[in-house]
Amino acid sequence: ETGVTQSPTHLIKTRGQQVTLRCSSQSGHNTVSWYQQALGQGPQFIFQYYREEENGRGNFPPRFSGLQFPNYSSELNVNALELDDSALYLCASSAAQGTETQYFGPGTRLLVL
Amino acid sequence: EDQVTQSPEALRLQEGESSSLNCSYTVSGLRGLFWYRQDPGKGPEFLFTLYSAGEEKEKERLKATLTKKESFLHITAPKPEDSATYLCAAAQGGSEKLVFGKGTKLTVNP
Repeated sequence: ETGVTQSPTHLIKTRGQQVTLRCSSQSGHNTVSWYQQALGQGPQFIFQYYREEENGRGNFPPRFSGLQFPNYSSELNVNALELDDSALYLCASSAAQGTETQYFGPGTRLLVL
Repeated sequence: EDQVTQSPEALRLQEGESSSLNCSYTVSGLRGLFWYRQDPGKGPEFLFTLYSAGEEKEKERLKATLTKKESFLHITAPKPEDSATYLCAAAQGGSEKLVFGKGTKLTVNP
């Protein structure tokens, strides 16, 4: 059974640029959630996708957007990067929306200069 | 507003010295309380899910318990490899998101 994978592992961008992060969900899982984790903090919920539709969103501005594909993989896009966007971005997959345990990938470390 | 508070922020133990980590939550209609372990620079690793007050789960040296307002992660005779940050997260009924605490950084010295 393949776990959650994310790419790239690390990324450096400059303020104002755009970035796309990718996630492949665990085999058999149809729900993907994205979290942002700043240094020394717990993960903060960005949004969740279920069957290619956004299924809930946290307190993040519209420049954070996402997609889910028919194979349940997902992308997180961030436009107009700000210094405060520097963080570990985590993707988690689960077997169903709402109630199932979420399993996390290794994360993408984003540094905005 | 849903909130999860973990204490202590950091804990240093000697190998073999048992202790407990605390997770207090204010979530209406809790549907699940989750414990994860996170190593530096890595994604959280799932440990336990607890669904109702009184429930307990064990895995090796770890035991998680749940009451109506708190959860505890008991660590018995810890080893240096148990050193990590332990995260607690709560999910509200009907909600898709996990609300995380800031974590407890555990260091076990040999």
